[in-house]
Amino acid sequence: DQQVKQNSPSLSVQEGRISILNCDYTNSMFDYFLWYKKYPAEGPTFLISISSIKDKNEDGRFTVFLNKSAKHLSLHIVPSQPGDSAVYFCAASGPNDMRFGAGTRLTVKP
Amino acid sequence: GAGVSQSPRYKVAKRGQDVALRCDPISGHVSLFWYQQALGQGPEFLTYFQNEAQLDKSGLPSDRFFAERPEGSVSTLKIQRTQQEDSAVYLCASSLGPIRGRGQPQHFGDGTRLSIL
Repeated sequence: DQQVKQNSPSLSVQEGRISILNCDYTNSMFDYFLWYKKYPAEGPTFLISISSIKDKNEDGRFTVFLNKSAKHLSLHIVPSQPGDSAVYFCAASGPNDMRFGAGTRLTVKP
Repeated sequence: GAGVSQSPRYKVAKRGQDVALRCDPISGHVSLFWYQQALGQGPEFLTYFQNEAQLDKSGLPSDRFFAERPEGSVSTLKIQRTQQEDSAVYLCASSLGPIRGRGQPQHFGDGTRLSIL
């Protein structure tokens, strides 16, 4: 069962514009949410996280928004840069586990 | 290095052979995780260690899969009698504290790409 879903396999944006990556989850026990970034032939690297007691967390160009009632979170990248091109994984964490989405491949065109 | 190190990076084996994949976590990290990542999918949990104790092995797909971390640092994932469906990238991750969830970021290695012919 897919408890964490990223319904867009890919996203293409122009350099300087906003990238919005979306993620939905089903398990109400999840209380932390994380985004990881993955380049080819490398492991995922942690990007940003948010606790369920917040609805927004910002770190430089990256902002994560959480809508608990909709069980939805999103990652905003502003402005997007070509170096942001990678696969982005959403992860949801409960008391004893962490589940990952299938990933969204972001391409930022110069 | 300071990160999680996995070896080998690539492994090709014939169906039926046994393979062993190694993970060197970040020094001092208590928690260690193994994941399996199929093409186009996210990492799927296999097993979790807290120091040398294997606290959760619910994600191991069959009894052909075995993992150990005897001294609480290096871990080995062993797959016996490999089958074609075992072909995937196997990722190891470690985190500092003993808490498995609660949003504690995990630090991933670059993975071992296993191909079973």
